[in-house]
Amino acid sequence: ETVMTQSPATLYVSPGDSATLSCRASQNIVSNLAWYQQKPGQAPRLLIYGASTRATGIPARFSGSGSGTQFTLTISSLQSEDFAVYYCQRYNNWPPALTFGGGTKVEIK
Amino acid sequence: QVQLQESGPGLVRPSGTLSLTCAVSGGSFSSSNWWSWVRQPPGKGLEWIGEIFHSGTTNYNPSLKSPVTISIDKSKNQFSLRLSSVTAADTAVYYCARAPAAGYYFDLWGQGTLVTVSS
Repeated sequence: ETVMTQSPATLYVSPGDSATLSCRASQNIVSNLAWYQQKPGQAPRLLIYGASTRATGIPARFSGSGSGTQFTLTISSLQSEDFAVYYCQRYNNWPPALTFGGGTKVEIK
Repeated sequence: QVQLQESGPGLVRPSGTLSLTCAVSGGSFSSSNWWSWVRQPPGKGLEWIGEIFHSGTTNYNPSLKSPVTISIDKSKNQFSLRLSSVTAADTAVYYCARAPAAGYYFDLWGQGTLVTVSS
């Protein structure tokens, strides 16, 4: 099973600053990576898939990069609504293999 | 616009069976989408449980300890989850979700429902 490791566990950022979140896969997953945002009491929301493609309606300040085993989610100019928990997810069409990272919480500095 | 809504008992006894249903509104099962269950223990991360296609074909997470069955009822536009022999470790918010292909990312989620396993 591919293990997804996110760092840091908590990131303190000031509004208007940028945030860089990391996700590492224990084996090569090519670009089969998605990022989600989850706010308290809400379901996750898809932000990025294919490592770098923004989902429908996602603002351009969210960007994803990476391939293989190292991936990054960058949030530029953080807005108040961006403070949340972010999860990466490895996916694979066949055999189906969906595993999530442990999450990074972005908090106000 | 497609929406997903989970329903089912919020409390299940240990060793009992957890049963949930996800109603799909505003859309049809007859497409390339796959339909999944994902859970999240309180204060913890996300775990994929399994998925089903409109044909009834299923895939499950091999890491799960409790026996799992996912089924579909196209006439009612819903799919269901059954988790047997549950323990306190199965206490979680259960989400249903849609993926554009088998084993893919989730582009649509239900709001989630909390199920507590307790006597």
